[in-house]
Amino acid sequence: EEQLVESGGGLVQPGGSLRLSCAASGFSFSGYWMNWVRQAPGKGLEWVGNIKEDGSEKYYVDSVKGRFTISRDNAKNSLYLQMNSLRVEDTGVYYCMRGGVWGQGTTVTVSS
Amino acid sequence: DVVMTQSPLSLPVTLGQPASISCRSSQSLLHSDGNTYLNWFHQRPGQSPRRLIYKVSNRDSGVPDRFSGSGSGTDFTLQISRVEAEDLGVYYCMQGTHWPPYTFGQGTKLEI
Repeated sequence: EEQLVESGGGLVQPGGSLRLSCAASGFSFSGYWMNWVRQAPGKGLEWVGNIKEDGSEKYYVDSVKGRFTISRDNAKNSLYLQMNSLRVEDTGVYYCMRGGVWGQGTTVTVSS
Repeated sequence: DVVMTQSPLSLPVTLGQPASISCRSSQSLLHSDGNTYLNWFHQRPGQSPRRLIYKVSNRDSGVPDRFSGSGSGTDFTLQISRVEAEDLGVYYCMQGTHWPPYTFGQGTKLEI
């Protein structure tokens, strides 16, 4: 079964940092672009960014450029999202996603 | 960025009756490779999104055949032939033709 499991969410103060992880199983992780998508409380879905199979290309939504960094470790079948200079508006559930496969999400709360 | 506009935003339904959701894009989603990258997702309360339809009209594995997708260019529709209780929740369209960024519609809440 194809599966994605996120971890690393939590409560952080504005300006702080957090690193999310996503563990993949049941498919050839190194053969796919991977994405992060987020959802603010009570709001819709927003694509955050993605990374190419070999990590050589990365793209981000404008609102996180320069603050968030996506990386991957194909040997560990893992995807990461390093979030720096966090803002209140970054609060939400963060999902890793590969097309038709989504994780259960991990919750990030940015608050003082 | 491509803007995705869904209508209606709220759709009262009767179990056993059909339902239809519209999604319009601010520019044509026909890719130069001949494909149209328009997906539909369903999200139940407290759950992760699930992809139902990819490339306009292709149902994902395990998706009931009461769900169908159609459209071209800038106008797309998700139809449910007979609504069942498990279909309630929020539906999102998402374009993957002109990225970055991938963009989602605002969501349509299907409710009784």
